[in-house]
Amino acid sequence: DQQVKQNSPSLSVQEGRISILNCDYTNSMFDYFLWYKKYPAEGPTFLISISSIKDKNEDGRFTVFLNKSAKHLSLHIVPSQPGDSAVYFCAGNFGNEKLTFGTGTRLTIIP
Amino acid sequence: KAGVTQTPRYLIKTRGQQVTLSCSPISGHRSVSWYQQTPGQGLQFLFEYFSETQRNKGNFPGRFSGRQFSNSRSEMNVSTLELGDSALYLCASKAGESDTQYFGPGTRLTVL
Repeated sequence: DQQVKQNSPSLSVQEGRISILNCDYTNSMFDYFLWYKKYPAEGPTFLISISSIKDKNEDGRFTVFLNKSAKHLSLHIVPSQPGDSAVYFCAGNFGNEKLTFGTGTRLTIIP
Repeated sequence: KAGVTQTPRYLIKTRGQQVTLSCSPISGHRSVSWYQQTPGQGLQFLFEYFSETQRNKGNFPGRFSGRQFSNSRSEMNVSTLELGDSALYLCASKAGESDTQYFGPGTRLTVL
C-alpha cells in the first residue's frame, strides 16, 4: 500500500524556469510533510517541510504547497539551477514517528 | 557537528550469508531509523530505535533486525541474505521530538 505517491519518475526543466514536483498521499493522518533531495552516493538531505495546518511554506527558492482536500502537495523551485539536479523525495509523517516516503522524482535541470 | 556516519560504505556478500551494518548518529541525537532504498520501491522504513528500544517497525521479515547501544550508535543485521536484499541502506538520526531526520551516506549492499 503506497501511502505516498510520486507519479512522475523524472522531470526535465530548463535552467531559470520553475520546477514543480508533485506528490499525492492517501493517509489523512499525516500531520507533517517533508521534502528531501538526494544526490547519487549520498544520503537524502532535508529541504523543506510543511505542517498539515498550513497550505504554504516558503524558504528561499523553495516553496511547498499543500492541498489537504485533494491530498496533494507540490514543491516549487524558482528559478531552477543546475545544482538542483537530483532525486526528490516527499515524505509524510504521523505522530512524529516514522516517515513514509514516495518513490522519488529525478529532476534534471537543462543548462 | 559531525553528521551521521555509516560503515561500511560498500559491501558484497553472497546468498545465505549474514551482514551487520553500523550507524553513528549526530552527537546528542537519540533516535536512529533505518531505511532500505531500491530503485522500484524508493525509501522504505525498516525500524526506529530510541534510547536502546525499538520504537517503530516497518513491514520487513524477521531476517532484518537491529539494536541500539547506550551511546545511541545503532547496528542493523540481515541474516540469510537473499538477492533481493541488494539495496542502499540508509540510517537517519533525529534529536528527540524533532520532525527532521538527518541521513547518513548509506551502505550499498550487493548480494551475489
